[in-house]
Amino acid sequence: QVQLVESGGGVVQPGRSLRLSCAASGFTFSSYAMHWVRQAPGKGLEWVAVISYDGSNKYYADSVKGRFTISRDNSKNTLYLQMNSLRAEDTAVYYCARQSRRYYDFWTPGDAFDIWGQGTMVTVSS
Amino acid sequence: AIRMTQSPSSFSASTGDRVTITCRASQGISSYLAWYQQKPGKAPKLLIYAASTLQSGVPSRFSGSGSGTDFTLTISCLQSEDFATYYCQQYYSYPELTFGGGTKVEIK
Repeated sequence: QVQLVESGGGVVQPGRSLRLSCAASGFTFSSYAMHWVRQAPGKGLEWVAVISYDGSNKYYADSVKGRFTISRDNSKNTLYLQMNSLRAEDTAVYYCARQSRRYYDFWTPGDAFDIWGQGTMVTVSS
Repeated sequence: AIRMTQSPSSFSASTGDRVTITCRASQGISSYLAWYQQKPGKAPKLLIYAASTLQSGVPSRFSGSGSGTDFTLTISCLQSEDFATYYCQQYYSYPELTFGGGTKVEIK
């Protein structure tokens, strides 16, 4: 079935790095733009980053720009989020999500997120 | 970035009630709006996209309306499984996507 499974979360000290992965199955991963969305404990959803279906376009929320890098390996059906210089305020559950339209034309009005992973918890604490 | 404001932030309702949640965008977003449902400890689930189109498999008691800056999510007859938090999201201003702050629907 169509599925996204995140991994790589954990407890990390401020200033350190962590890489999250999101394994896709049940659909043609290479046809879809993919996103990371996070949710701090007891808070709402915050969009983090997006990557186009072919990896040629990427964009980040201001809160993570310059520290986080989104990437993908379409041969492995896997999405990544490299998180550097982590801060306490990065503590959250991180979800990967699929944008619903295939071969989406970046920089035009987009689409909803129709498939979400179960999330992976990242805790930044000394 | 476009700001999305939901109201109310929370409220109590009873099974069988008709409930309405509103979402206002800080600028016009046409119909580029989605609604998600999230239950505790679970990932969000897409309910409605393009402001009023029901996602496949979502019960017909859910409906959405609006365009421009003002949108509503209506649950026509609240069921026990509908007690959850609901989020709106604009995807007009791509790629600077934004969510509303959420509306928690609790049992009265």
